[in-house]
Amino acid sequence: DVKVTQSSRYLVKRTGEKVFLECVQDMDHENMFWYRQDPGLGLRLIYFSYDVKMKEKGDIPEGYSVSREKKERFSLILESASTNQTSMYLCASSYNLGGGRTDTQYFGPGTRLTVL
Amino acid sequence: RKEVEQDPGPFNVPEGATVAFNCTYSNSASQSFFWYRQDCRKEPKLLMSVYSSGNEDGRFTAQLNRASQYISLLIRDSKLSDSATYLCVVNLGNDMRFGAGTRLTVKP
Repeated sequence: DVKVTQSSRYLVKRTGEKVFLECVQDMDHENMFWYRQDPGLGLRLIYFSYDVKMKEKGDIPEGYSVSREKKERFSLILESASTNQTSMYLCASSYNLGGGRTDTQYFGPGTRLTVL
Repeated sequence: RKEVEQDPGPFNVPEGATVAFNCTYSNSASQSFFWYRQDCRKEPKLLMSVYSSGNEDGRFTAQLNRASQYISLLIRDSKLSDSATYLCVVNLGNDMRFGAGTRLTVKP
């Protein structure tokens, strides 16, 4: 059974703090993703990674950075948290099927971040 | 225009009803298609993939119309436990595009 874990379920931070969200998957997936989910907007892709040390910007990368030093771990960093980054953050992973195709994504339980 | 569009609902139906959701996508190069289910305060989970020929899994039937660029999900004999948000997902190469979801509530 695929398992994707995230470091925290709930997090409360203050404006200007640096925030680290960690994601670990145990299925040796090549691809990992960070999304945020807000009411009425659905899931929006922040960053994704095809492989160790590789990263690609998604639709809304501003204010975020990522790190993938090991295949199983993908970290999302908010350098200076702001109130508009209050959201549900979801990590996902998937196999890379080659030919530019990705397999279905498996999600972690999410981290609900509140920035005060 | 959004890449993946869904009617947000909510759909409120009685137990035993048949309900259908549609989803449209804008990129004709999309390669694969899925329906995910998301329960309140939980992560999305794969419900079923959608194949060109249409596919069925118990009470759930998914259809794909590439010419019109839409995907549908039909739920027959609705159960209370079907209450959730249903996300339409379209694969564009190495990343996926999610619809905002359609909320379903099945009532006794």
